[in-house]
Amino acid sequence: GIQVEQSPPDLILQEGANSTLRCNFSDSVNNLQWFHQNPWGQLINLFYIPSGTKQNGRLSATTVATERYSLLYISSSQTTDSGVYFCAAREGGGSNYKLTFGKGTLLTVNP
Amino acid sequence: DAGVTQSPTHLIKTRGQQVTLRCSPISGHKSVSWYQQVLGQGPQFIFQYYEKEERGRGNFPDRFSARQFPNYSSELNVNALLLGDSALYLCASSLGAASLGQYFGPGTRLTVT
Repeated sequence: GIQVEQSPPDLILQEGANSTLRCNFSDSVNNLQWFHQNPWGQLINLFYIPSGTKQNGRLSATTVATERYSLLYISSSQTTDSGVYFCAAREGGGSNYKLTFGKGTLLTVNP
Repeated sequence: DAGVTQSPTHLIKTRGQQVTLRCSPISGHKSVSWYQQVLGQGPQFIFQYYEKEERGRGNFPDRFSARQFPNYSSELNVNALLLGDSALYLCASSLGAASLGQYFGPGTRLTVT
């Protein structure tokens, strides 16, 4: 099955700093999603982005499917951005919807 | 619109017992998937159901089973609980079997003692 690797595993920032989180995947995908998991365990959808670039406020994401990676950019970070960020991918083809998750990036934003 | 709902929120069980977790998808969504997340790891796929049929199964033992009802809600059953089954169980819904984006519920935190 598809392998998903995220980097860095941990990231500590001061409020106001910018950051880039990376997700590499081992095979072609027809779905890639970024999630933020809050301290209570809820996975919040950030982006559905199998290819191209999207922006939502201070967050943006880019997926280069041909090179098998995706990037999540966080600008002007705030303490509320803290938490674990997951990238998840679904292999191309097939009729099921199995998402394979990376191990996540733990982001800590200090005031 | 209500999001994905799961019940119960927390659950404590003893080894060897059985547990049933419940999930209601977003209105109009016909596919439900279950994931297990142990501490420090990403969620692992357990099952996907679409139109009441199993469409995918992850690498979990037969102690894990699930079903989907005509109203598209779903139950996950785990028999003969082990300590290692302690985890956050997440339910996700999507419009179709392979359609755009999965949306996750708040999860059920299961502790096996």
